[in-house]
Amino acid sequence: SQKIEQNSEALNIQEGKTATLTCNYTNYSPAYLQWYRQDPGRGPVFLLLIRENEKEKRKERLKVTFDTTLKQSLFHITASQPADSATYLCALLSGGSYIPTFGRGTSLIVHP
Amino acid sequence: EAQVTQNPRYLITVTGKKLTVTCSQNMNHEYMSWYRQDPGLGLRQIYYSMNVEVTDKGDVPEGYKVSRKEKRNFPLILESPSPNQTSLYFCASRGGGGAGNQPQHFGDGTRLSIL
Repeated sequence: SQKIEQNSEALNIQEGKTATLTCNYTNYSPAYLQWYRQDPGRGPVFLLLIRENEKEKRKERLKVTFDTTLKQSLFHITASQPADSATYLCALLSGGSYIPTFGRGTSLIVHP
Repeated sequence: EAQVTQNPRYLITVTGKKLTVTCSQNMNHEYMSWYRQDPGLGLRQIYYSMNVEVTDKGDVPEGYKVSRKEKRNFPLILESPSPNQTSLYFCASRGGGGAGNQPQHFGDGTRLSIL
């Protein structure tokens, strides 16, 4: 069955460092991969989308990579700040699919 | 301001008492969906709608109903709620029809407790 794995343990890093979050998947051939941020008590907020034929996407301090051979996406936040502390979700969609599959999310804690 | 609005935000009710959670979006999006989020299980899709009068089951539809009579509204109905439906619920919308390259816009959630 299709499976998406995100590290269930919280990632603790120091302010100013680069945070790297991982999204691995199996039994899936996604056409699109999306990353969302979720704060406690709030709905997820879209951050970035990357297509299967793209290796890397950037937006300000954010960078996403997509390796369809390794079946993995990496999400990087450079120069991290305490305000970046949140849970980050990855979501996969097949081409033409209407049902995205979400990972369980990884909590990021940036310490001042 | 573009937004997805859910009501109520919090609800405590009892088993078997029918309830409806409303969802409205102001972005003229065709696609809307409902999710539930449970600890350790992540977001799971309950139902989705491609357009007015077009709905389909997601991964966990049992015990839920939806309707899409207007483009902007997509209510979630629990006809006979049970304690295993205690959860955090999110409504979402996106444009672009079925295109997976469109981001979803989520509401702020409805926390349901069924005793």
